[in-house]
Amino acid sequence: LAKTTQPISMDSYEGQEVNITCSHNNIATNDYITWYQQFPSQGPRFIIQGYKTKVTNEVASLFIPADRKSSTLSLPRVSLSDTAVYYCLVGAPTSGTYKYIFGTGTRLKVLA
Amino acid sequence: DTEVTQTPKHLVMGMTNKKSLKCEQHMGHRAMYWYKQKAKKPPELMFVYSYEKLSINESVPSRFSPECPNSSLLNLHLHALQPEDSALYLCASSQVQGLPLKPYEQYFGPGTRLTVT
Repeated sequence: LAKTTQPISMDSYEGQEVNITCSHNNIATNDYITWYQQFPSQGPRFIIQGYKTKVTNEVASLFIPADRKSSTLSLPRVSLSDTAVYYCLVGAPTSGTYKYIFGTGTRLKVLA
Repeated sequence: DTEVTQTPKHLVMGMTNKKSLKCEQHMGHRAMYWYKQKAKKPPELMFVYSYEKLSINESVPSRFSPECPNSSLLNLHLHALQPEDSALYLCASSQVQGLPLKPYEQYFGPGTRLTVT
């Protein structure tokens, strides 16, 4: 399974765009890239997922270059409530399920 | 209903006790997961059930015993735990992976905070 590397922490101010980059040099052909958000004492929550190029949903965008060895989660106009840990995961189906390895994650702190 | 519920929220147990953690979902998901999360660390996968059968065991010590009695319920039986087993235990569910290969979203519960004394 591909391992991911992310910055340990980031600070941002309210209203700014935040970009969190994830490195996954040994990503395999079948692997998808998925991002989860986790607040203290809660389970992780799905944010966005992609395979290549760009994916956008109502809360974030995910940019994946052609070589797929990295990806960038973009959060537009963050607010204080976006303070959380963000995990980048890559993996492929295993035994009928999707086996994730969570990396260390990035602790985002949004300041007023 | 996209909720995964876990009980109890908090559990304190001695090293000789036997206890169980429970997880329930009503989304029709046939894959269910147990994760362990230590403070300020990422979740670590422990077990995966697919169609009520254990499909992945990440070399978890036998003092942790999972059970999937039906498609909505997942239990984790605990016996003779060690203080280092204190952690947040998270349950998740998803659709069973098939074709296409795009992974299905995992829905996590709020977790059970376990303290072993």
